[in-house]
Amino acid sequence: GAGVSQSPSNKVTEKGKDVELRCDPISGHTALYWYRQRLGQGLEFLIYFQGNSAPDKSGLPSDRFSAERTGESVSTLTIQRTQQEDSAVYLCASRPDRANFAGELFFGEGSRLTVL
Amino acid sequence: GENVEQHPSTLSVQEGDSAVIKCTYSDSASNYFPWYKQELGKRPQLIIDIRSNVGEKKDQRIAVTLNKTAKHFSLHITETQPEDSAVYFCAASISANAGKSTFGDGTTLTVKP
Repeated sequence: GAGVSQSPSNKVTEKGKDVELRCDPISGHTALYWYRQRLGQGLEFLIYFQGNSAPDKSGLPSDRFSAERTGESVSTLTIQRTQQEDSAVYLCASRPDRANFAGELFFGEGSRLTVL
Repeated sequence: GENVEQHPSTLSVQEGDSAVIKCTYSDSASNYFPWYKQELGKRPQLIIDIRSNVGEKKDQRIAVTLNKTAKHFSLHITETQPEDSAVYFCAASISANAGKSTFGDGTTLTVKP
């Protein structure tokens, strides 16, 4: 079946503009994560959704960042008033249901954001 | 919160040699430790994982060891091949099926033919 799908794959924007990044998880995966990966750096946790539970927003770096998820489907990460330091690859990952004890995260290809 | 440190940041080995990457974690409640491989321009993919109820796990040329007392775990790759060249990330989480995974900063492994 299809893997995790992210769009756009590349986004170039001007400083101060808002951007929306979209993630379509694997069907049936209840958990969804957003990570940020700056060039040559590790994966920085941003936010985690698990079913209908309140999301874990502890990794969002500022109030310019927000994310939503509709049920157990699509998620959108929004960055308002973008800054140059927001330039990075934004990776989305999904994981099967809690009842499935396999812990593997399935990553999308990422959305590369460049803020000029 | 959890903090994961990974060493070395870069590692270069000759084809056929072994490679070892080490990670330490801070939260003693962590119980699940996966390793991901990210080839250039590609998405990270799970290569092996270990839970806290075992000390070692092997899968062909790769193995992971865990020392819960010392809060560190290591990835071992034997008989390295050029296609093993990639960035490797360790991670730690409370549970395999809930909660966030905290990642290390990655190790760039280069296997010279």
